[in-house]
Amino acid sequence: DAGVIQSPRHEVTEMGQEVTLRCKPISGHNSLFWYRQTMMRGLELLIYFNNNVPIDDSGMPEDRFSAKMPNASFSTLKIQPSEPRDSAVYFCASSPTSGIVNNEQFFGPGTRLTVL
Amino acid sequence: GDSVTQMEGPVTLSEEAFLTINCTYTATGYPSLFWYVQYPGEGLQLLLKATKADDKGSNKGFEATYRKETTSFHLEKGSVQVSDSAVYFCALSNQAGTALIFGKGTTLSVSS
Repeated sequence: DAGVIQSPRHEVTEMGQEVTLRCKPISGHNSLFWYRQTMMRGLELLIYFNNNVPIDDSGMPEDRFSAKMPNASFSTLKIQPSEPRDSAVYFCASSPTSGIVNNEQFFGPGTRLTVL
Repeated sequence: GDSVTQMEGPVTLSEEAFLTINCTYTATGYPSLFWYVQYPGEGLQLLLKATKADDKGSNKGFEATYRKETTSFHLEKGSVQVSDSAVYFCALSNQAGTALIFGKGTTLSVSS
């Protein structure tokens, strides 16, 4: 099992540009999570999908951020336009079922985004 | 709202020393509690969990006990190794049981 796959691993872009982060969850997992990690705010949940449907997007910081999950094996997080304060490490995680109480979340290696 | 508070790091120890990383939480209801570990350059991995009061989670020599009376879930290890150097995150499940709320993480550095 390859685990959760994220691409790119590193992204450097200029303010105002569109950024797309990609995630492939573990095959068979029904839930997918996008997190953002910064020194100031720690690890924050941005959005959560169950069976490809967005369930909770209350953590998405603003309209510049959008996430999609067109099928069970692929999700994107898009920032348009990007700003320097979006610089962070973005993690994708997947879980076998909708409830996480007794189920582990498996994290990808993250995408380090730098917006100049 | 629900939250997790971890001790500030970094924690610096010599090999074979005893480790405690404090974690307390505020939550409505009865959350499940977790410790995740992040090694340099990697994503988080589940270290251990406890789903109800007085449960003890354990893995790789690490332990944590779910203390409802003190709303705590402190992580302990009797003898740390250099390979334990990482960032440790305490987390709890939200009320709906659908997402995790993480603490800010505690960096552990173990020297030989």
